[in-house]
Amino acid sequence: AQKVTQAQTEISVVEKEDVTLDCVYETRDTTYYLFWYKQPPSGELVFLIRRNSFDEQNEISGRYSWNFQKSTSSFNFTITASQVVDSAVYFCALSEAADSSYKLIFGSGTRLLVRP
Amino acid sequence: ETGVTQTPRHLVMGMTNKKSLKCEQHLGHNAMYWYKQSAKKPLELMFVYSLEERVENNSVPSRFSPECPNSSHLFLHLHTLQPEDSALYLCASSQEAGSPYEQYFGPGTRLTVT
Repeated sequence: AQKVTQAQTEISVVEKEDVTLDCVYETRDTTYYLFWYKQPPSGELVFLIRRNSFDEQNEISGRYSWNFQKSTSSFNFTITASQVVDSAVYFCALSEAADSSYKLIFGSGTRLLVRP
Repeated sequence: ETGVTQTPRHLVMGMTNKKSLKCEQHLGHNAMYWYKQSAKKPLELMFVYSLEERVENNSVPSRFSPECPNSSHLFLHLHTLQPEDSALYLCASSQEAGSPYEQYFGPGTRLTVT
């Protein structure tokens, strides 16, 4: 069963708009980690953030912000004042402590297109 | 520059060919990974190596054969592949396997099997 759901397959916005990418996860573990990665057209996945299940504080890094809500099992990602360079596929991922390998379980990704 | 390099970036091979993908990490990490990324499918973990020892093999067909001669290098040897094996193959590394450390990815090898 898929444990990370990114329901938005593709989002298109105009430059300078704010955009939120949704991520809903499923786990029975009390200790887990959530990640966001960006995959630009060049192919490599670029690590953006890691949060653990005990830290529900929202995080802001420049134009990026993340909203972690355990009550709704969501870890959403917002880009403020989007730019063309933000165009990429964004992946949310889950890693569970119960799985001793801590392997990453990826969502299917959201393709973001920022138009000038 | 993520510190993980992969060669070649693109590869076209026939079903009877033998080829190898190479990955090198310059981050001093102890764990390395191979992933397969197919169109319209989530990333699939194929293999995990920790200090040159294979610690995970996710039911990958034997036509894919990994090799990790040292903690900085990882290979994926390919033979008698099928067209459905066409995909982007991504290599990643992390500080340790079996830990929640973030993984750092290379740019991938785009493989086409004809």
